[in-house]
Amino acid sequence: SQELEQSPQSLIVQEGKNLTINCTSSKTLYGLYWYKQKYGEGLIFLMMLQKGGEEKSHEKITAKLDEKKQQSSLHITASQPSHAGIYLCGADIWGTYKYIFGTGTRLKVLA
Amino acid sequence: EAGVVQSPRYKIIEKKQPVAFWCNPISGHNTLYWYLQNLGQGPELLIRYENEEAVDDSQLPKDRFSAERLKGVDSTLKIQPAELGDSAVYLCASSNPDSHEQFFGPGTRLTVL
Repeated sequence: SQELEQSPQSLIVQEGKNLTINCTSSKTLYGLYWYKQKYGEGLIFLMMLQKGGEEKSHEKITAKLDEKKQQSSLHITASQPSHAGIYLCGADIWGTYKYIFGTGTRLKVLA
Repeated sequence: EAGVVQSPRYKIIEKKQPVAFWCNPISGHNTLYWYLQNLGQGPELLIRYENEEAVDDSQLPKDRFSAERLKGVDSTLKIQPAELGDSAVYLCASSNPDSHEQFFGPGTRLTVL
């Protein structure tokens, strides 16, 4: 079973629309990370969340970690074609040295 | 500042052949990771190094996979012999002790025929 569940698996939106991607863990997380990956390339770090209830923004992308530190959401406002790619959440599991990734959400933005 | 460098970018081999991937992390990054990424999946950790010591290799299939980071800088991941199921992207990442942020290389796409 997947320790980090992402939803949806894929998303197609019209340019200008808002969207949300979710990442859920059954275990308490030490840190939650969001990455973006384009086909054939490595992962690009977007942001890290560590405190329960924490929220961070970078340009039009906002991510939040819930109080229990088991779920995070990534929100894109007024999406653009440049936002297209695969969004992956990664996490440190509390009390372990284990670092895991979700299966990713493939985003397509139609111009 | 140069990012994580990986080579080759692409490799096509026949099954049962050996193959090796090379990674040069960002200067000053003590921690180095090798991941395997199958199509449509997130990366899965194969091995993590702290300097030259492999601190987590629990997911490395040791019957055919090996890795080394002799001087605590660049690293090599080897598969011998390769199997059809090894076709995937092999990603290398590095981080420094003060941060959990990992910097990824572009990956090596392996195709085993």
